[in-house]
This record gives sequence, structure tokens and C-alpha cells, in this order.
Amino acid sequence: GQQLNQSPQSMFIQEGEDVSMNCTSSSIFNTWLWYKQEPGEGPVLLIALYKAGELTSNGRLTAQFGITRKDSFLNISASIPSDVGIYFCAGQLGNTDKLIFGTGTRLQVFP
Amino acid sequence: DVKVTQSSRYLVKRTGEKVFLECVQDMDHENMFWYRQDPGLGLRLIYFSYDVKMKEKGDIPEGYSVSREKKERFSLILESASTNQTSMYLCASSLRLVAGQPQHFGDGTRLSIL
Repeated sequence: GQQLNQSPQSMFIQEGEDVSMNCTSSSIFNTWLWYKQEPGEGPVLLIALYKAGELTSNGRLTAQFGITRKDSFLNISASIPSDVGIYFCAGQLGNTDKLIFGTGTRLQVFP
Repeated sequence: DVKVTQSSRYLVKRTGEKVFLECVQDMDHENMFWYRQDPGLGLRLIYFSYDVKMKEKGDIPEGYSVSREKKERFSLILESASTNQTSMYLCASSLRLVAGQPQHFGDGTRLSIL
């Protein structure tokens, strides 16, 4: 099955640093979603993007839907220890209810 | 808030057993999904259902079947469990064909096949 290219695979950063991760695809998506998964939990929706060029914030998180509709990025500003987890992007193709997921970015934040 | 509940957080079964994983959602969503999650592979779709008694294969349906007898409940069945089915299993639900509706996930079932 198709998967999105998500990078980086993992990040080890110090508390207070900014974080940036992105997803790219060869396909055009109608929707981009960003999820966070904490240890032992299911993924939780952080941000949903519905239009090319859209920039949306949720607290310290900011995500953008790329103009080409083939990519998206997520930024986290001033990271804190509770940001630790795996971040997944997901894209929705055409008129389908299925999502295609990235392989995830594992974030570790050190105090 | 959407609530997706998976019946077990941890499950240990033996090779050859028939295994049932249950998922219930309380938001009257038409769509329900089963994924498995393995390190480095992300989430891979096993099966999904867009209505009662309807099902479609995902990317990795081999060795699995599903049942959707009621709208709120979607069951994943491992017909004869094998060790390569040891994984984290995630259930999700969403509204049908409402543009951009996100999927909402349960907390997962970590299944070990011995």
C-alpha cells in the first residue's frame, strides 16, 4: 500500500527548542491531518488542513498544507517534555474515506 | 468527544487460536477501520467498513477477517493466529464521505502470539 514519506524519523532535542517535521507524497491530497501518539495510547488528532496553502495553529503547534497539495509540515515551538511521542501525518486522497499515513517522527525532549 | 473503545489493552494468545478483537464507537459514525502498527512501518490498513454488514479489504487483509453486525461495533478476527501477527492493533471511526472528516482512534490492543 501507499505510504507517505515522513521526515525526520526521529528527533532528540532540548527543552525550549523548536521542532519541524514534514511529509511528502507523489500524490495530490484533499486533506492533511497531523496526529500525535503517546506511549500506550492511540493517535490523537492535532491539526486538520483542508485547503492548499492553509496555515493552521493549535497552541504551540503550526501546520501548513503545501501549495502543490503534495506536502505538509508541522512545527512545534518552544518544546516541552510532554511533547514526547510519535507524530504522524496522514493524507486523504480524492473522494475516499481512507487515510494514508506517514511512518512517523519519534520526538524525544530532554530537560 | 468521540469515544472509540477497544475491548482489551493487552492480549496474549497461542499460535493457531482464533482471536477476536472488539471495537465500539459512540458517535454514530458510518466508517470503521482496523489498522496494525509495527515499528518503522507506520499504520497499515487491514480492513474497513462503511456500513453495517459492508466491508472492504485494506492493504494487508491476509490472515484476517472482520464483522460489522451493528453500526457501533466492528470486530477483527484472526482466523488462526500466527506469530507474525504479533502487533499493536488500532481501531478508528469517522463520518462517511464528509469532506476531510478525520478518523478517531481507540487506545489500541497490543497482541502477542506465542
